[in-house]
Amino acid sequence: DAGITQSPRHKVTETGTPVTLRCHQTENHRYMYWYRQDPGHGLRLIHYSYGVKDTDKGEVSDGYSVSRSKTEDFLLTLESATSSQTSVYFCAISALQGNYGYTFGSGTRLTVV
Amino acid sequence: TQLLEQSPQFLSIQEGENLTVYCNSSSVFSSLQWYRQEPGEGPVLLVTVVTGGEVKKLKRLTFQFGDARKDSSLHITAAQPGDTGLYLCAGLNFGNEKLTFGTGTRLTIIP
Repeated sequence: DAGITQSPRHKVTETGTPVTLRCHQTENHRYMYWYRQDPGHGLRLIHYSYGVKDTDKGEVSDGYSVSRSKTEDFLLTLESATSSQTSVYFCAISALQGNYGYTFGSGTRLTVV
Repeated sequence: TQLLEQSPQFLSIQEGENLTVYCNSSSVFSSLQWYRQEPGEGPVLLVTVVTGGEVKKLKRLTFQFGDARKDSSLHITAAQPGDTGLYLCAGLNFGNEKLTFGTGTRLTIIP
């Protein structure tokens, strides 16, 4: 019943190469978010979107860009991957802002070697 | 950046015992959410507490939001192996409506 899917689930890439992670939702939710999860840091917001072509930066946005050309898809791009971007990346969606929980995808484990 | 500190970081207890996990901040939040995350999966929302002093119960789990809206606790009664996981608190910031996540508590229940 997953209304949100992330692809790929795992990826190994070399330093300096571009990488794009995809988040796809079938819930027609307005808000979409990209987080990274690292030991000792919890989940940190990279970028978020509040509508088609409407995006904004989170607290750890350096080295990342996003695009949202359709309601259902939110892409995260690492323009030139670095080892510090090795992490687990989660996409989340929400219908409304405020006191409404997020629905998370299953994550993408990215390793930059 | 508002910070949420969770304690303990790691907790391993026997099945049937009780436990409490804490989520603390120096900042005031509009509301507080708790999530549980299992290995290889994303976090799943357990509860949202909105009012200072609010207490919510979800079967054997009791969630409380501090009176000053700066802290929260999760109490589990008679823990079971199925409670094993990473517990994350998340505070909703006033104004920008963004969630700030805590550092997490990794709970292991030993059968």
